Amino acid sequence: EPEVTQTPSHQVTQMGQEVILRCVPISNHLYFYWYRQILGQKVEFLVSFYNNEISEKSEIFDDQFSVERPDGSNFTLKIRSTKLEDSAMYFCASSESSNTIYFGEGSWLTVV
Amino acid sequence: EDQVTQSPEALRLQEGESSSLNCSYTVSGLRGLFWYRQDPGKGPEFLFTLYSAGEEKEKERLKATLTKKESFLHITAPKPEDSATYLCAVQYLYGGSQGNLIFGKGTKLSVKP
Repeated sequence: EPEVTQTPSHQVTQMGQEVILRCVPISNHLYFYWYRQILGQKVEFLVSFYNNEISEKSEIFDDQFSVERPDGSNFTLKIRSTKLEDSAMYFCASSESSNTIYFGEGSWLTVV
Repeated sequence: EDQVTQSPEALRLQEGESSSLNCSYTVSGLRGLFWYRQDPGKGPEFLFTLYSAGEEKEKERLKATLTKKESFLHITAPKPEDSATYLCAVQYLYGGSQGNLIFGKGTKLSVKP
């Protein structure tokens, strides 16, 4: 069964460093998303991406964050100048239309 | 104010003891209501999408239903492997976008043998 793949599964970074989280969406999907889940809290929407541009973003997704689809298969989330409060599980998701959205297993980011 | 509220927060059942989880929402212009299962430290696993009041979908021991203001996830004769957190999320239309998902806090289900 096709799945969304994320790397790394866990990353520890020092405050102020830049982090890139990588995702390989399901191959025929057109819509891509990043969500995050702070420990013990709700899953929160960050950004959606379609047709090589951001289609929607939340208030959380400020200038510290950026997304890119550098080639035909990868979708990345870059977090610049990380802060302690960026520690969370980051989920990549993809969908063929917007009707069935599949999530990856997540990248757990710890900022120390 | 929460737009998606799930109840109960936690539910403990004996194996075989059927029950229902509730998801109520306040958004207008609902595009879809999604149910996911999440195991600890894992990503949400897609279960169902419901689009209109009266719609029902089933998968193994799970059945999801939708009304105009809430959805129920019915679990029939649960087994210990059904233990997980069940997440509800709504997707609504605004500004012509395809609509992001707004999640509830989830219901943590424990099924004891």
